[in-house]
Amino acid sequence: AAGVIQSPRHLIKEKRETATLKCYPIPRHDTVYWYQQGPGQDPQFLISFYEKMQSDKGSIPDRFSAQQFSDYHSELNMSSLELGDSALYFCASSLEPNYGYTFGSGTRLTVV
Amino acid sequence: AQSVTQLDSQVPVFEEAPVELRCNYSSSVSVYLFWYVQYPNQGLQLLLKYLSGSTLVKGINGFEAEFNKSQTSFHLRKPSVHISDTAEYFCAVSARTGNQFYFGTGTSLTVIP
Repeated sequence: AAGVIQSPRHLIKEKRETATLKCYPIPRHDTVYWYQQGPGQDPQFLISFYEKMQSDKGSIPDRFSAQQFSDYHSELNMSSLELGDSALYFCASSLEPNYGYTFGSGTRLTVV
Repeated sequence: AQSVTQLDSQVPVFEEAPVELRCNYSSSVSVYLFWYVQYPNQGLQLLLKYLSGSTLVKGINGFEAEFNKSQTSFHLRKPSVHISDTAEYFCAVSARTGNQFYFGTGTSLTVIP
């Protein structure tokens, strides 16, 4: 079965650089969520989109932005990267909110 | 808002022994409840979910969980664990009218041969 695809799997950036993470949801899933998981921590909600509109916002820094495109894929743009941004970034998709997400394998971002 | 408390950060258990991972939640509204498993260096995989109906929910890999509304709990159980069950387990809750999950801090299950 098709899963949630995230790219890239690994990304190394220097401080103050920018990064773009991509998420391709399961076909027909219209809701996309982004989570950040720091080392040894639980996933923290960043932002979500439903039908290409932002539907909820969590602890996303102002340096980050995201959007969902017409084909329902989503991109998380991160600017002025800091060392503390090093984390695993998960994207998840759902057909209907709250019915259980399907998570991607994540993008591991390392800021050096 | 909702919150989740996983009472045990680490649970060591011998192979073929039973295990229970505890999860309590807090919410002023009706919720959906989930358990996710995360193997090392991998993403989150849904084990099981409670949406409505029977309070005993069966998931993948022989896991099951029971929703107890009066105790606001959703404990995860398995009668006989295997080495391959070694992983991090996250309990999560979402409001039925909400739009995001709240995760617990996770329980690291280590199965000892």
